[in-house]
Amino acid sequence: SQQGEEDPQALSIQEGENATMNCSYKTSINNLQWYRQNSGRGLVHLILIRSNEREKHSGRLRVTLDTSKKSSSLLITASRAADTASYFCATDDVGAQKLVFGQGTRLTINP
Amino acid sequence: KAGVTQTPRYLIKTRGQQVTLSCSPISGHRSVSWYQQTPGQGLQFLFEYFSETQRNKGNFPGRFSGRQFSNSRSEMNVSTLELGDSALYLCASSLGRVQETQYFGPGTRLLVL
Repeated sequence: SQQGEEDPQALSIQEGENATMNCSYKTSINNLQWYRQNSGRGLVHLILIRSNEREKHSGRLRVTLDTSKKSSSLLITASRAADTASYFCATDDVGAQKLVFGQGTRLTINP
Repeated sequence: KAGVTQTPRYLIKTRGQQVTLSCSPISGHRSVSWYQQTPGQGLQFLFEYFSETQRNKGNFPGRFSGRQFSNSRSEMNVSTLELGDSALYLCASSLGRVQETQYFGPGTRLLVL
């Protein structure tokens, strides 16, 4: 079963706009991670936020984590055509030795 | 450092056959995890190996098995293939804890006819 659920399932915006994706999860976690996948390829790690952190930045990426609501958001600012990809959140159940991925948000950046 | 490599990249098999996929982790990484990705089920955890020992296993039938060698390279095997096994199989490596950053390979796309 999927731990994380991303919202929206698909998002289409114009180049230069900001894109926001949300992830909700069900159990207590150690970390939450975001990954990007270009069509049919492997996943690329974007950012990891620990359960005691509330916000983290990496370049044009901003991730927030609200453990009381069991949710996270990924903001990509000033989007580019190269940002077109699927974005997944991944969580680890406390005590478990695995990552559980959500179904992903398919982001399309229109030139 | 070289990234995670997976071989073969593409594979076509028929029902009932078996298949072995290979994964070479990043040098120094001792944890290797395997995932199955399908349009319907998304990314699902298969199993994780650390120092040649399986530490965790997902909810897959016994037809799915794996192993890890002393050099951390890993293989997964699927026996008696079914049409539903058609998927992208991804392996990922990390230094030690599966909860930390995972580095993924490009995947093996398996088509079962």
